Formats: sequence, C-alpha cells, structure tokens
Amino acid sequence: QVQLVESGGGVVQPGESLRLSCVASGFTFNSDEVHWVRQAPGKGLEWVAFISYGGQNKYNPDPVKGRFAVSRDNSKNTLYLQMNGLKAEDTALYYCARRLRSSHKAFDVWGRGTLVTVSS
Amino acid sequence: EIVMTQSPAALSVSPGERVTLSCRASQSISSDLAWYQQKHGQAPKLLIYGASTRATGIPARFSGSGSGTEFTLTISSLQSEDFAIYYCQQYNNWWTFGQGTKVEIK
Repeated sequence: QVQLVESGGGVVQPGESLRLSCVASGFTFNSDEVHWVRQAPGKGLEWVAFISYGGQNKYNPDPVKGRFAVSRDNSKNTLYLQMNGLKAEDTALYYCARRLRSSHKAFDVWGRGTLVTVSS
Repeated sequence: EIVMTQSPAALSVSPGERVTLSCRASQSISSDLAWYQQKHGQAPKLLIYGASTRATGIPARFSGSGSGTEFTLTISSLQSEDFAIYYCQQYNNWWTFGQGTKVEIK
C-alpha cells in the first residue's frame, strides 16, 4: 500500500546536526512532490520544506531557512531533511508528506513521523 | 506569509450534533484551502481540498465551503470517531496551517 516511513530522529544538543530520512513505497516516488511538516509537542502543524519530483525546486520557510536542507534520492525512493544548527524550538515530530496528484497542492499521504528533541 | 486563523480554538459537542468550524485567511487564497483531521497520536488525514472537494474515502457528513478569505468545515452529524483536532491549510502561497480547532465530547 501507499506508505511513507520516517526515521533518523533522536536527542541532540543545541547547535548539533541531524539527518532525517523518509522512505516511500507503494507509489511512483519520482513522480511526486514531497514535503516535511513538523509538530512541536502539544502544538499545531508547521510546514518546513518542499522539494519537486525531480529535486530541482526546493524551498524552506524563514524559521528554518539556511539551517535545513531538503533533498531526495529517487533511485532509493527516499526523501531527506538535513538539519544543522539545531535549536530548542526545533523540537518536534517531523512528518514527511506527499502532495496530492492534482492542481490542488494539499497533502494526501503522511508518514507517522520521527521525533527530534533538541536539549542540553 | 499568509496567516490562517481558526475559530473557535475548542468546542464541546454531543454525538449527533451539527458542527461548524471556521478558518480565515489573512489575504485572498481563492479556493486553495484544505482541511485535515488529526486524532491523538496519529498523523493528519486529508479531509477536504479545493475548499469543498472531499478526499478519497471521506464520508459525506464532512463538507467544506468558502472562497477568498472565509472558509467553513461542517460535520453534519458528529460521530464518536470524529472527535479530533481539525486544521485548515492554505496552499495558494507556499503552505501555512491554522492553529487548529479541537472538537471534544460534551
């Protein structure tokens, strides 16, 4: 079935780095735009990265711009999020999500998330 | 950045009641609006996109309306499995989410 599975979360200290992975299965990964969305404990959803199907277009919003970098390896059906200079406010559950196959850019498939904790 | 504001923040509802949730955009987003449902410990689930189109497998009791800056999600008769947090999301200019509305059992 269509599935996204995140991994790579953990506990790190402020200023350290972490790379998250998201493995896709059950669909043609190289045809789909994918995203990272995070959710701080007890808080709402925050979009943090976008990458086009071929990887040529990427974008991060201001809170993570210059610190987070999204990439993908279509040969491995895998999405990545390289997170550098981590801050306490980056503590969250990180989800990968697939964009709907439509002119509408909602997210129709989500993983279960991987937890990142930034603490000294 | 387009700011999405949801109201109310929370509401208590009895099963079988009709529920209306609101979402306002800080500028016009046409119909580029989605609604998600998130239950405790689960990933968000797409309910509605294009402001009014139900996603695959979503029951007809869920309906969306609105355009421009004002949007509504209506649950016609609340079922026990509908108690959750609901988020709106705009995708007209990048992507931003509202802060969520928690629907609790009365």
